Amino acid sequence: GESVGLHLPTLSVQEGDNSIINCAYSNSASDYFIWYKQESGKGPQFIIDIRSNMDKRQGQRVTVLLNKTVKHLSLQIAATQPGDSAVYFCAENPNRDDKIIFGKGTRLHILP
Amino acid sequence: DVKVTQSSRYLVKRTGEKVFLECVQDMDHENMFWYRQDPGLGLRLIYFSYDVKMKEKGDIPEGYSVSREKKERFSLILESASTNQTSMYLCASSFQVGEQYFGPGTRLTVT
Repeated sequence: GESVGLHLPTLSVQEGDNSIINCAYSNSASDYFIWYKQESGKGPQFIIDIRSNMDKRQGQRVTVLLNKTVKHLSLQIAATQPGDSAVYFCAENPNRDDKIIFGKGTRLHILP
Repeated sequence: DVKVTQSSRYLVKRTGEKVFLECVQDMDHENMFWYRQDPGLGLRLIYFSYDVKMKEKGDIPEGYSVSREKKERFSLILESASTNQTSMYLCASSFQVGEQYFGPGTRLTVT
């Protein structure tokens, strides 16, 4: 069935290093992908999105990479800061309707 | 500044009680969603609505119902709360497919 997953439930990164959070998806028909960040006690917050006609998109300190061949999505955070500590979810839109399917999330820990 | 608000941050109810969770958005979005979030399971869609008085089942609608009488308001109803409905409930809204804006969540405990 359809699923969106993450390779690691927890990732620890040294402050100042780059973080790479990975996500695998199973539905080849998905044409829209989103990354969300959820800080403790808050609802998820949009970070960046990418459509399937692109393989890379950059935002402020974040880059999303899409590899449709292996159905893999990644989020790169440059110069990781303490404020980046959160759970990160990838999400996909497989049916071209208004629903999206969320992955289970990766918790990013920032080491001092 | 866009905003999705939920009526309660924390709620404690007894088994068998009827529970109403309210969500209001001020962005004039067509779409509204209710999710529940459980450790290890991520966010799971309960119901969503793409217009007033319209509703669609999500992945886990059993035990829940919804109401959307006004565009800005989407209510989640637990007709008879059970302990397995103890969870974090998140409401979201969006304009077509795209960025969903989430509320802060309601942590519901059913005892």
